[in-house]
Amino acid sequence: AQRVTQPEKLLSVFKGAPVELKCNYSYSGSPELFWYVQYSRQRLQLLLRHISRESIKGFTADLNKGETSFHLKKPFAQEEDSAMYYCALPSLYNFNKFYFGSGTKLNVKP
Amino acid sequence: DSGVTQTPKHLITATGQRVTLRCSPRSGDLSVYWYQQSLDQGLQFLIQYYNGEERAKGNILERFSAQQFPDLHSELNLSSLELGDSALYFCASSVSEGGGETQYFGPGTRLLVL
Repeated sequence: AQRVTQPEKLLSVFKGAPVELKCNYSYSGSPELFWYVQYSRQRLQLLLRHISRESIKGFTADLNKGETSFHLKKPFAQEEDSAMYYCALPSLYNFNKFYFGSGTKLNVKP
Repeated sequence: DSGVTQTPKHLITATGQRVTLRCSPRSGDLSVYWYQQSLDQGLQFLIQYYNGEERAKGNILERFSAQQFPDLHSELNLSSLELGDSALYFCASSVSEGGGETQYFGPGTRLLVL
């Protein structure tokens, strides 16, 4: 079965430190991958998507087909980056069906 | 607010009851998705509609049903409720359908079954 795995439930880093939130997927092909973020008391919202290849709020994510990973990275974490982060991708068999990871809570300490 | 709206925000009910959750998509969005998020779990895809038609189904229980109306709002009906149905239910919408679409999420409905 298709799966999106975010192995870390909680990641704590100090302000200014690099951060990497891991996402692995089980998929044979070229998936469209997404990172969604939920800040405290806000809605889940798109952070970035693979196809755009753009950097949002300093975050980037590279698709590694060999390792089937789409890790989210930022060189210098800020306190306002503290949030829940979810990796997601559509089903191989029905593009309208989405799989989300269980999420990683990022806590950036001052 | 032209974003996705969901009502009610909170719902407390008893086992065996039936509830209806409502979702209004963003203006112009034709696709609506429903997700369930239980404690410490990620979002579980339930079902998706595009312009009134069901297009994708996840592990949605038979006790649950949904529909999208001509005005594009959607309702998720949960019946014969059990304690385990307590969760946060999210609705999302997108302009079109397909794996490349960005989804815009509502604030969620928190359901507590006692």
